[in-house]
Amino acid sequence: SSELTQDPAVSVALGQTVTITCQGDSLRSYYGSWYLQKPGQAPVLVMYGKNNRPSGIPDRFSGSSSANTASLTITGAQAEDEGDYYCNTRDVSGDHLVFGGGTKLTVL
Amino acid sequence: QMQLQESGPGLVKPSETLSLTCTVSGDSVRSTLYYWGWIRQAPGKGLEWIGSIYYGGSTLYSPSLKSRVTIAVDTSKNQVSLKLSSVTAADTAVYYCARRPVTALMYYYDVWGQGTLVTVSS
Repeated sequence: SSELTQDPAVSVALGQTVTITCQGDSLRSYYGSWYLQKPGQAPVLVMYGKNNRPSGIPDRFSGSSSANTASLTITGAQAEDEGDYYCNTRDVSGDHLVFGGGTKLTVL
Repeated sequence: QMQLQESGPGLVKPSETLSLTCTVSGDSVRSTLYYWGWIRQAPGKGLEWIGSIYYGGSTLYSPSLKSRVTIAVDTSKNQVSLKLSSVTAADTAVYYCARRPVTALMYYYDVWGQGTLVTVSS
């Protein structure tokens, strides 16, 4: 399958922990990456590879992968973490890339 | 500091060709370390990968857009271009240019342009 599946919406109480998941056959072969997009802004890379944070991304963000699922965990969610999260990887059936449908994270 | 800036017409007529340019600053499109890609986002929708190019000219395109898309590099201007032919209203979107490091098993875009809105309408 060339699809990456994400839950459309997730909420978390301020300061609590939340995990956002991305499922797809491609993730059995390739690592996923994660982006946060806030309204009216370009996406920002927050996680890639096994568990790699770009410079400037807080260490409350962590990543993991198991079987066909990539996960992004925010430990101690902050108000500024609110936005749309997208996963991304290479399609296993061909030489192209795919994005998940996105998960809207609300911090309560 | 590495930056990407998209530019091009904000309005394109149906059936015509959408043409955008991404100007790269702080890096070179000749770099063997990166792919240069285009991603779009229709209003209120998610991200859609369009395609990418490597300096040597190797291109990859989305299967759903492959028949209409051309991505190229202009080394003299340090730019990456996108052409999408036979556009319809469904091609209305914000178009982003982005950089992807050449890595094994990891596929990610670490630098993005601010995006440019293209509306397809008569």
